[in-house]
Amino acid sequence: GNSVTQMEGPVTLSEEAFLTINCTYTATGYPSLFWYVQYPGEGLQLLLKATKADDKGSNKGFEATYRKETTSFHLEKGSVQVSDSAVYFCALSDLGGTASKLTFGTGTRLQVTL
Amino acid sequence: KAGVTQTPRYLIKTRGQQVTLSCSPISGHRSVSWYQQTPGQGLQFLFEYFSETQRNKGNFPGRFSGRQFSNSRSEMNVSTLELGDSALYLCASTPDMMNTEAFFGQGTRLTVV
Repeated sequence: GNSVTQMEGPVTLSEEAFLTINCTYTATGYPSLFWYVQYPGEGLQLLLKATKADDKGSNKGFEATYRKETTSFHLEKGSVQVSDSAVYFCALSDLGGTASKLTFGTGTRLQVTL
Repeated sequence: KAGVTQTPRYLIKTRGQQVTLSCSPISGHRSVSWYQQTPGQGLQFLFEYFSETQRNKGNFPGRFSGRQFSNSRSEMNVSTLELGDSALYLCASTPDMMNTEAFFGQGTRLTVV
């Protein structure tokens, strides 16, 4: 079956530090890949997505590239802010490039301090 | 445009009872999915509805069921509640089943005592 593996958290960084959160996946076919973010007390928000190999998703300074050869979709940001503190989830869908029936990783909590 | 609305936000039930949770998707969205979030199992897909029909289903026992109405609103029901059903239940909507962005509600926090 499908699975998503994320690095364990929490990740604690100082403001303006570089962020990498690793994500690897196992899936049949050619899944779509997503990063979602969950702020305290809220639901999930789509951060970025990539629907085919070598696609780069980007939003709000965050980037991730769909690497089929390494089955990875690592999240990066060059300079984090305190407001980026949240839980980040990597996810995949193997249903025709849609956002249906998402398989999520366990989430990585990011804490950014001044 | 209003987001995905889930009611109630918080719920406390006793073991053996049943519960119904409600989800109103974004106006115009016709696909609704449900997920269970727990500290131990993380986020797990329950089921997806489109045009009042269940299109996809996760690996949950038959105690978990759902339905969708003609106005796309959806309900999920859990019967014979167990302590392990305590979780945050999230609803997500998309315009149709081919869309690549799911919009999530804030969830319903269910506590079973």
